[in-house]
Amino acid sequence: AQTVTQSQPEMSVQEAETVTLSCTYDTSENNYYLFWYKQPPSRQMILVIRQEAYKQQNATENRFSVNFQKAAKSFSLKISDSQLGDTAMYFCAPQAGGTSYGKLTFGQGTILTVHP
Amino acid sequence: GAGVSQSPSNKVTEKGKDVELRCDPISGHTALYWYRQSLGQGLEFLIYFQGNSAPDKSGLPSDRFSAERTGGSVSTLTIQRTQQEDSAVYLCASSRRTSYNEQFFGPGTRLTVL
Repeated sequence: AQTVTQSQPEMSVQEAETVTLSCTYDTSENNYYLFWYKQPPSRQMILVIRQEAYKQQNATENRFSVNFQKAAKSFSLKISDSQLGDTAMYFCAPQAGGTSYGKLTFGQGTILTVHP
Repeated sequence: GAGVSQSPSNKVTEKGKDVELRCDPISGHTALYWYRQSLGQGLEFLIYFQGNSAPDKSGLPSDRFSAERTGGSVSTLTIQRTQQEDSAVYLCASSRRTSYNEQFFGPGTRLTVL
């Protein structure tokens, strides 16, 4: 079974600044994926970024990047040049294969508010 | 359509009634997942479909919950004799295949049981 901890229930940042959201997880799998999803007030879950656990290089996607520490089971999300549209709840979600059939295990989420 | 759709968007029902929630996945996606999002429990997995079969029903909270998928496409989640604790947002997601794949989510159905 996988467990996920997002220790920051709420974060706020000024527009154009950088913010980092933390996530730690526990898994017995050796191969897995990790995802960050965002959920704006519209309720639609949107993929932000993903990381394959077998890759040492940290994933980047435009203003979004991760710091993946496999040994420490840590997977933080950095948002650079924050924009008002980044305001949302962010979920960290590992995904295992095998008998887990790729189901996602979600953390409790971090509410991010970007202020003008 | 281009994305996952769910209907209804909102559903208000009385305690004890049955409800059906529908999910239309992205065409060609063989894997389909149902999750529930509630204030007390966060986001939790309910059931998974590969084609029309459901190998993993481990997340269904009680025998009042059931789901089916037909034609490898549309899925229906049915809750019988609804209880107030069933109030939540029910999210559906689909992916091309199972493991190590991005899941695309629908907008969810907000269920309120009075």
